[in-house]
Amino acid sequence: QVQLVQSGPEVKKPGSSMKVSCKASGGTFSANSINWVRQVPGHRPEWMGKIMPILGMTDYAQRFQGRVTITADKSTGTVYMELNSLTSEDTAMYYCGRALNFYDGFMVDPWGQGTLVTVSS
Amino acid sequence: LLTQSPGTLSLSPGERATLSCGASQTVNNNYLAWYQQTPGQAPRLLIYGASKRATGVPDRFSGSGSGTDFTLTISRLEPEDFAVYYCYQYSDSPSFGQGTRLEIK
Repeated sequence: QVQLVQSGPEVKKPGSSMKVSCKASGGTFSANSINWVRQVPGHRPEWMGKIMPILGMTDYAQRFQGRVTITADKSTGTVYMELNSLTSEDTAMYYCGRALNFYDGFMVDPWGQGTLVTVSS
Repeated sequence: LLTQSPGTLSLSPGERATLSCGASQTVNNNYLAWYQQTPGQAPRLLIYGASKRATGVPDRFSGSGSGTDFTLTISRLEPEDFAVYYCYQYSDSPSFGQGTRLEIK
């Protein structure tokens, strides 16, 4: 079973960028897509975007267009999510989740363990 | 836009829970999933395609509905079922509902 292991917690300054990684272990991404979802404590999860690593195809939520970039390194089986121009409203837990399809995929278990990003001056 | 009701549901173990999820537009192909989330954990997939149970999910969980109205039913509540539940549409512009908190009465 593919496990997703995310990078550790980060503290960022307003206006800076963050880059979180999600590495597959125990398997490969195959034709799956990797989705990024963030969640402010006490709020609903929010879908940010996705990538099909083997082709590099991406799709982003409209509200993050121009500010988020999702990339994949096939050689290491790692997906990255970079978010720019950070504000305090970007303080959240960030999760990666694998979907079996790119166009109509829902995230299957297990997700990554989550990466807490705190944006504070 | 997905709207879940009720916001909070207070029930006792052994009772039946009915959670609703309404969409502002038709969810194409019934691409609607349900997730369960406990504190400090990532969401756990319960239902996809509106009514298909994910692998390993107990059969007390069932999903139904189509178009714009969907329901998650838990037939007999177990102590571990008290959590927050989110519906999620994965057709166009994926999005989650605001959640229903299922609490012990």
